[in-house]
Amino acid sequence: QSVLTQPPSVSEAPRQRVTISCSGSSSNIGNNAVNWYQQLPGKAPKLLIYFDNLLPSGVSDRFSGSKSGTSASLAISGLQSEDEADYYCASWDDSLKLWLFGGGTKLTVL
Amino acid sequence: QMRLVQSGPEVKKSGTSVNVSCQASGFTFSNSVVQWVRQARGQRLEWIGWIVVGSGDTKYAHGFQERVTITRDMSTGTAYMELSSLRSEDTAVYYCAAAKGPYNWFDTWGQGTLVTVSS
Repeated sequence: QSVLTQPPSVSEAPRQRVTISCSGSSSNIGNNAVNWYQQLPGKAPKLLIYFDNLLPSGVSDRFSGSKSGTSASLAISGLQSEDEADYYCASWDDSLKLWLFGGGTKLTVL
Repeated sequence: QMRLVQSGPEVKKSGTSVNVSCQASGFTFSNSVVQWVRQARGQRLEWIGWIVVGSGDTKYAHGFQERVTITRDMSTGTAYMELSSLRSEDTAVYYCAAAKGPYNWFDTWGQGTLVTVSS
């Protein structure tokens, strides 16, 4: 079964930059847009990046997205304590005909 | 301001059904798609299905096809997700989310509804 693979956790110091990867296949990331969601502890997910690299209104430009082939990345610069959350990538899968989510990456700001 | 408000927590017995509602405000409900996603404790988000509000067309993930029904009431701006034949593995937080199209990003999410299935 196709999956989107993310590292379970990443950590970095305040004011530094971190990247979170999301690896998929030709039936999902390779052929469809990637969206990223931020889930603060105990809260519902919130749209962070859409269509690979676009920021919704109100989202800080410290967040950025990129995609190459069957992988995507989320970068967060100028880390702040309030960025501590779980981050999920998502993409439509043409073969399975469903929305796939990555396993989530827990960001810790040291 | 786009907003989705879901119904409250549910505790159900195995084999029964649950119906979760999702009321929309702040956007044109009839022009939207409502997606349903669930998240078991400590697990990844899992897509359940969608309804195209204007047409009523639905699509369900293969693993839910025989047990889930998604409907909407355009007069009240509310979408519903009914899951039947509940089992303990269905214990999760269920979210609705609004999108402009079925293959578009999920713009706004409801607050989530905890469904607990006990034997």
